[in-house]
Amino acid sequence: RKEVEQDPGPFNVPEGATVAFNCTYSNSASQSFFWYRQDCRKEPKLLMSVYSSGNEDGRFTAQLNRASQYISLLIRDSKLSDSATYLCVVNPNTGNQFYFGTGTSLTVIP
Amino acid sequence: DADVTQTPRNRITKTGKRIMLECSQTKGHDRMYWYRQDPGLGLRLIYYSFDVKDINKGEISDGYSVSRQAQAKFSLSLESAIPNQTALYFCATSDPSSGRSGEQYFGPGTRLTVT
Repeated sequence: RKEVEQDPGPFNVPEGATVAFNCTYSNSASQSFFWYRQDCRKEPKLLMSVYSSGNEDGRFTAQLNRASQYISLLIRDSKLSDSATYLCVVNPNTGNQFYFGTGTSLTVIP
Repeated sequence: DADVTQTPRNRITKTGKRIMLECSQTKGHDRMYWYRQDPGLGLRLIYYSFDVKDINKGEISDGYSVSRQAQAKFSLSLESAIPNQTALYFCATSDPSSGRSGEQYFGPGTRLTVT
């Protein structure tokens, strides 16, 4: 079983829409969770960390459900510039290896 | 200037050749990582290093070796390249002491093709 699993999409949504991605992880003892964004042929960049209590950064909201072992990313009022691949990342042991999901592709359509 | 640089950016090589990918960083981070990215498989960890004297195998280290020449430099070698090593390779750094232990800073990537 993979450490981290994501729906690859693609998600094609109109501008202004709300879209949500989920990601499941297999290690119940995992400590740290993150969402990264990767533009086509570019390097991944940290979008936001995911905290137990949930956290929000502008139009982006991340949530963690430890009981069901998944994290989610909600994007409100989608912009064309949100088109990218979103990578779910889990660190089971805090500071050691990071496990990346395969990514979910989002295209925001005018 | 970029904080994490990789050379070369693109490379085409033949099966059986030895090739080295280089990574340099100016962030002053102790931790460095090498990943490969393949379509449908995401990023997979090849090797990681927590300081100059510490080298660890990742998920897919077979066929690869690394050298941590200095805090700022971490090289990845393919001793005898094979076609299934064709991929996009990323170097990354992190600094847990910054309080942002999850943030990894990636280089721009090296696109390697083995024919």
